[in-house]
Amino acid sequence: KQEVTQIPAALSVPEGENLVLNCSFTDSAIYNLQWFRQDPGKGLTSLLLIQSSQREQTSGRLNASLDKSSGRSTLYIAASQPGDSATYLCAVRVGETSGSRLTFGEGTQLTVNP
Amino acid sequence: DTEVTQTPKHLVMGMTNKKSLKCEQHMGHRAMYWYKQKAKKPPELMFVYSYEKLSINESVPSRFSPECPNSSLLNLHLHALQPEDSALYLCASSQDYLRLAGGPGAKNIQYFGAGTRLSVL
Repeated sequence: KQEVTQIPAALSVPEGENLVLNCSFTDSAIYNLQWFRQDPGKGLTSLLLIQSSQREQTSGRLNASLDKSSGRSTLYIAASQPGDSATYLCAVRVGETSGSRLTFGEGTQLTVNP
Repeated sequence: DTEVTQTPKHLVMGMTNKKSLKCEQHMGHRAMYWYKQKAKKPPELMFVYSYEKLSINESVPSRFSPECPNSSLLNLHLHALQPEDSALYLCASSQDYLRLAGGPGAKNIQYFGAGTRLSVL
């Protein structure tokens, strides 16, 4: 059974700092990995999706890497801003046909202080 | 437009009530999902519809009844709920669920609605 772990569970940093969020998964046979952001009481916003054949994806100040063999992904946030404060979730998809589904980590709650 | 719209935003119901949650998307997506999320926990998959047919039911109690009237709409009918069913209910959609081999991965991206905050008294 696929298990996804995110470390740390919570992180508080001053504005402007570069930071790294970690995600690990137990079954390396994933189809893709997706990073989401969730604001309190809101839905999830997709940030980046990395296919199993890819090593990284970038969007603005965000960079996500994937090392499938070691079962790890990192989300790098450059020059953090108070507006980045949210919970960040990673989710892996196992399989590409019917029956495949997203398995989520517990999330990292990020607070960026002005 | 990557919007998934859920109504209502908030819902309070008694254990004997019957209510429905609604979800709508106009992105031409053919896969739609219901998730349940408790506080400080990740979303848990409940149902998946693929091409308007129920593809996955994650052993959800029968007091939750999904319905997909057409490719743009997804409903979740609620009846005789328990207080422990109080949660944030999230709808999501993606272009495809039965993913064909090869091609870009964009079809896999799930787009989420803002959710319905449900309280069962």
